[in-house]
This record gives sequence, C-alpha cells and structure tokens, in this order.
Amino acid sequence: EVQLVESGGGVVQPGGSLRLSCAASGFTFDDYAMHWVRQAPGKGLEWVSLISGDGGSTYYADSVKGRFTISRDNSKNSLYLQMNSLRTEDTALYYCAKGAGDYGDYVFDYWGQGTLVTVSS
Amino acid sequence: DIQMTQSPSSLSASVGDRVTITCQASQDISNYLNWYQQKPGKAPKLLIYDASNLETGVPSRFSGSGSGTDFTFTISSLQPEDIATYYCQQYDNLPGFGPGTKVDIK
Repeated sequence: EVQLVESGGGVVQPGGSLRLSCAASGFTFDDYAMHWVRQAPGKGLEWVSLISGDGGSTYYADSVKGRFTISRDNSKNSLYLQMNSLRTEDTALYYCAKGAGDYGDYVFDYWGQGTLVTVSS
Repeated sequence: DIQMTQSPSSLSASVGDRVTITCQASQDISNYLNWYQQKPGKAPKLLIYDASNLETGVPSRFSGSGSGTDFTFTISSLQPEDIATYYCQQYDNLPGFGPGTKVDIK
C-alpha cells in the first residue's frame, strides 16, 4: 500500500525558514517523480515543485522560485522541501504527491494528508 | 502560463441527477487534463487522467471527455458520497489547477 506521510510544518515568522519532509513507502521510490502541492486555507490547489526520480531535474512554480528548494534522498525514501524567505502568502497545507509514472509524471496518483505551514508574526 | 477556468464554481443537485462540470484552458493542452475529487478535510483523489481515462477503482459513474481547450467532467448519477470539490489540472507544461467546483446535495 502506497503511503506518503508529511512532517515539519509549523508556525514561522515572515522571512523565516522551514524544512518539510515526506516519508514514502509501498512503492519503488526512485522510480517516480515527486511533487509538492499546497492549499491555502479555504482556497484551491497550487502546484509548488517537482523533482525527477533520480533527483537530477527540478521545477518550481514562479511564486516560490528562488526561495524554495526541493530535494530527495532515495536511500531513505524521503522527499524534502526547504522553504526560505517565507511570506504570509505561503501559509498553506502542503501536500506531498507521487507522480503516476506509467501515465505521466504530472498525474498525481497518491497524496499524503498534508502538513500545515503558518507564516505569521 | 496556461490559465484554467471551471464552471460552475458551485452547484447543488439531487441524488440521482446527472452533474456536468466544464474546464477550459487558455491554450491547446491536447488531452493533458486530469480531474481530482477533494472531500472536506481530506487530500485530493485522482479520478480521471488524460481527459477521459478512469483511474483504477473509481466508480464508472464518473467520466471525462474533451481535448484541446474544452473539457467536461460528468457524474452520471449523483450519490451522497460525491459531495466534494472537483478540480481539473493541466500538465501541458508545468502543472496547474482550475479553481474548483463545489458540489452539494440539494
């Protein structure tokens, strides 16, 4: 059974940093691209970042480019999101999502339950 | 950037009704369009990929169609457990979601 478990969320002041983690199990982790998707309270879904299975390619939404860094450790079946220079508009529930592989890296076939990041003074 | 619109933004329908949601892309995205269901307090769930392919285990009352810029998502017979917000998502370039359609029971 595929499981994705996020952690690392919390309350941080504007300008601060936070590192999110996602522990994956139930599939061959390094075979699949992984994503971060966020959802501000009461709002819709926003794609944040993608990393390829081998970690060699990364992509970011314009809203986080230059401030967030996605990475993965395939030996630990773990995905990370380093978030720097946080802004109040980064407040959201952050989901880890798995790319579907066979029918596309950009099809999100499994999602975690999310970890909440609150940026507030 | 590709912009996605959905209509309606919300709807109320009776159990057993046919429900249709439309999604429009600002440019041709071929069939690079997925549909997700998000129930309150839960993570999104993939229902349809590549515009018309039903994800494994998803009930057959859900379907999708379209290509290019105009797409349709249909629930053939609305059930109480279908109360949720539905999102379309394109992936012609980097991924992007539509604003969502909230579905309620009348």
